[in-house]
Amino acid sequence: SQELEQSPQSLIVQEGKNLTINCTSSKTLYGLYWYKQKYGEGLIFLMMLQKGGEEKSHEKITAKLDEKKQQSSLHITASQPSHAGIYLCGADNPVIQGAQKLVFGQGTRLTINP
Amino acid sequence: NAGVTQTPKFRVLKTGQSMTLLCAQDMNHEYMYWYRQDPGMGLRLIHYSVGEGTTAKGEVPDGYNVSRLKKQNFLLGLESAAPSQTSVYFCASSYRGGYVYNEQFFGPGTRLTVL
Repeated sequence: SQELEQSPQSLIVQEGKNLTINCTSSKTLYGLYWYKQKYGEGLIFLMMLQKGGEEKSHEKITAKLDEKKQQSSLHITASQPSHAGIYLCGADNPVIQGAQKLVFGQGTRLTINP
Repeated sequence: NAGVTQTPKFRVLKTGQSMTLLCAQDMNHEYMYWYRQDPGMGLRLIHYSVGEGTTAKGEVPDGYNVSRLKKQNFLLGLESAAPSQTSVYFCASSYRGGYVYNEQFFGPGTRLTVL
């Protein structure tokens, strides 16, 4: 079965600094999703990557999928307090019965200090 | 639109008690999912449904049952709660199935403690 390893597990950065979160898969990634979870709330979709070398950006967040499709990174530029939360990567497995059976990493807890 | 809602938000049970968690979505999504989130383990899929009247097992289905009698509702049941089922439970729904661009919409979660 596929496993996702996120690093670091926890990150504390000064407001305004850049940061990177990594997600490494034990198998080839066919679809890689990034979600953000605010403390005590549900998950919010950020981005989805499918193609090797693909890069997507939304506001100050950029996600990349490496050429070999086994690792993805999430980069935040000039971090703000609103970026604080838990970031999770999820991988799309081969489908059975049409449902999307996502496998998630353990999450990275991001704290932004003023 | 309310999106995905979950009832209740918090619950404390004693070992052996039963309960049902309710998930409702107003987006007319075909697919619905139940996950549990435990510290250091991310989210794990318990059960899922590909449409009204259908259910299937996910990664960690033991000790849980589900039903999808109406398209908008997905119920998760614990027949005899155990301390190992202490967790945060999330419901999600999606318009499409897997292996294509497919965003899942998540509810706010239910925090369950089993004593």
